[in-house]
Amino acid sequence: NAGVMQNPRHLVRRRGQEARLRCSPMKGHSHVYWYRQLPEEGLKFMVYLQKENIIDESGMPKERFSAEFPKEGPSILRIQQVVRGDSAAYFCASSRSAGGPTANYGYTFGSGTRLTVV
Amino acid sequence: GENVGLHLPTLSVQEGDNSIINCAYSNSASDYFIWYKQESGKGPQFIIDIRSNMDKRQGQRVTVLLNKTVKHLSLQIAATQPGDSAVYFCAENSSNTGKLIFGQGTTLQVKP
Repeated sequence: NAGVMQNPRHLVRRRGQEARLRCSPMKGHSHVYWYRQLPEEGLKFMVYLQKENIIDESGMPKERFSAEFPKEGPSILRIQQVVRGDSAAYFCASSRSAGGPTANYGYTFGSGTRLTVV
Repeated sequence: GENVGLHLPTLSVQEGDNSIINCAYSNSASDYFIWYKQESGKGPQFIIDIRSNMDKRQGQRVTVLLNKTVKHLSLQIAATQPGDSAVYFCAENSSNTGKLIFGQGTTLQVKP
């Protein structure tokens, strides 16, 4: 039973380029959460999605960032016109249902994508 | 060994000793708390959780204590092992909103 799969593991982009980060939830999970982690800091919530719906985007920057979780395929976090401040580790978690991050709902994190903007 | 508050982000203990990692959470409405372990290059790994209607919960070698009066959470690791070396985060959640609020984190270093 594969866990939450994120790819790529490492991504290097030049300033102004676009970054696309992918997250495939665990089998049977229909809820996806994205977090950002700056060096030496805790994870910061960005967005919570269910299939084809954005449930909570209160942590998403207002510009350049977008997320989707289509009916088929992985969830995508897209960052347009990247800047050096976007360099961070981006983690995705998934859960079975809308029961929140409880262990009963299998809330599990992937290994993250490390984005470096040069 | 014990860290006091979030001003000491690194805790160094001798192998075999007990470790205590502390966390002050921010939201009085939070009713669910989790401790995560994060090793270098990996995502957070669930250790133990506790609901706000409890003040103590025990797992295998780990115990979480919750003091709602002062909004304080602690993680106790018994007989600390080299494999316990990692960064530990507390996280809080309110009413199953799906969103976790993470604390700053504490680096645990275990000396052989």
